[in-house]
Amino acid sequence: GDSVTQTEGPVTLSEGTSLTVNCSYETKQYPTLFWYVQYPGEGPQLLFKVPKANEKGSSRGFEATYNKEATSFHLQKASVQESDSAVYYCALSSNTDKVVFGTGTRLQVSP
Amino acid sequence: NAGVIQTPRHKVTGKGQEATLWCEPISGHSAVFWYRQTIVQGLEFLTYFRNQAPIDDSGMPKERFSAQMPNQSHSTLKIQSTQPQDSAVYLCASSFSSYEQYFGPGTRLTVL
Repeated sequence: GDSVTQTEGPVTLSEGTSLTVNCSYETKQYPTLFWYVQYPGEGPQLLFKVPKANEKGSSRGFEATYNKEATSFHLQKASVQESDSAVYYCALSSNTDKVVFGTGTRLQVSP
Repeated sequence: NAGVIQTPRHKVTGKGQEATLWCEPISGHSAVFWYRQTIVQGLEFLTYFRNQAPIDDSGMPKERFSAQMPNQSHSTLKIQSTQPQDSAVYLCASSFSSYEQYFGPGTRLTVL
């Protein structure tokens, strides 16, 4: 079945430094890829999605490129802020309603 | 748009009691999903409905857990004879199309 593997957390960074959260996936279908973010006390919310291979998604300074050849979808941000502290989930959906989520990466940004 | 509504936000039960969790999906959304979230296991898929019909319950524990969607405006997750290991945040999500899911804030269940 489909699966997603992402960087294990927690990831601790100082404000202004760069972030990369690795995500790789396995599927026999053609997936739509997502990054979700979850803040304390809330449910996950969509950060952005990319339905097409070799395209980039972005939101709030975060971006990720759907690399079909490498089956990767790494999340990046050039300069993190304390308000980015949250749990980040890589996810995929391949022609079904279900979304397969990774295990989540907790990011803690210190001022 | 109020988003996905989950009630109650917090529930405390004694071991062996029943717990019923409620979810009101976003109006017009045709799919409803239930997940369980713990520190150890992360986000676990439980079950989902499309147009009120159960489609996939592969994540549901075989005993004590059941889910229903009697109408398009709400779904329930019922846990009978709750056990301490059932303590978790239970999340409901709904979607309309393009696979994007909208999550509620979750119900934190604590079983003493």
